[in-house]
Amino acid sequence: GNSVTQMEGPVTLSEEAFLTINCTYTATGYPSLFWYVQYPGEGLQLLLKATKADDKGSNKGFEATYRKETTSFHLEKGSVQVSDSAVYFCALSERGAQKLVFGQGTRLTINP
Amino acid sequence: EAQVTQNPRYLITVTGKKLTVTCSQNMNHEYMSWYRQDPGLGLRQIYYSMNVEVTDKGDVPEGYKVSRKEKRNFPLILESPSPNQTSLYFCASRDSTDGYEQYFGPGTRLTVT
Repeated sequence: GNSVTQMEGPVTLSEEAFLTINCTYTATGYPSLFWYVQYPGEGLQLLLKATKADDKGSNKGFEATYRKETTSFHLEKGSVQVSDSAVYFCALSERGAQKLVFGQGTRLTINP
Repeated sequence: EAQVTQNPRYLITVTGKKLTVTCSQNMNHEYMSWYRQDPGLGLRQIYYSMNVEVTDKGDVPEGYKVSRKEKRNFPLILESPSPNQTSLYFCASRDSTDGYEQYFGPGTRLTVT
């Protein structure tokens, strides 16, 4: 079946550091890929998405590129801020499927 | 404002006492879904609904029921809650023609003692 694996957390960085959160997936077809962010006490918000190979999703300084050859969708940001502290979820959805398949989440803490 | 709302946000209950968590969306979405979030497991789908009176099981449906009598509402029912249903629950919705992005509610934290 389909699955998503994220790098283990928690991740702690200093402000202005470079961020990478790794995400790899297993899918039988050609899924759409997503990064969701969950701020403390809130629901999940879509951060960015990519629907086909080599697409790059971007939002709020975050980027992720759909790499079919390595089945990866790593999240990156060049300079993190304290306000980026949250839990980040990688997810996929296959065409015709009726659900999102989530990774286990990565808790990110940014220190001033 | 387009949103998904859930009530209650927090609930502590005892084993066996029936409860309902409500979910409502104001975006006229056909598709709605329930997920539970547990540490180290991410979110797992409980049930989903493609439209009014059309519901189906997700990955972890045991111990839950749902109904979809109106397009905007999708309540989650625990008829006899048990401690292993202690979790954070999220309702989500999406437009059936708008790709696969889902919009999530703020979550309901349930504790069953």
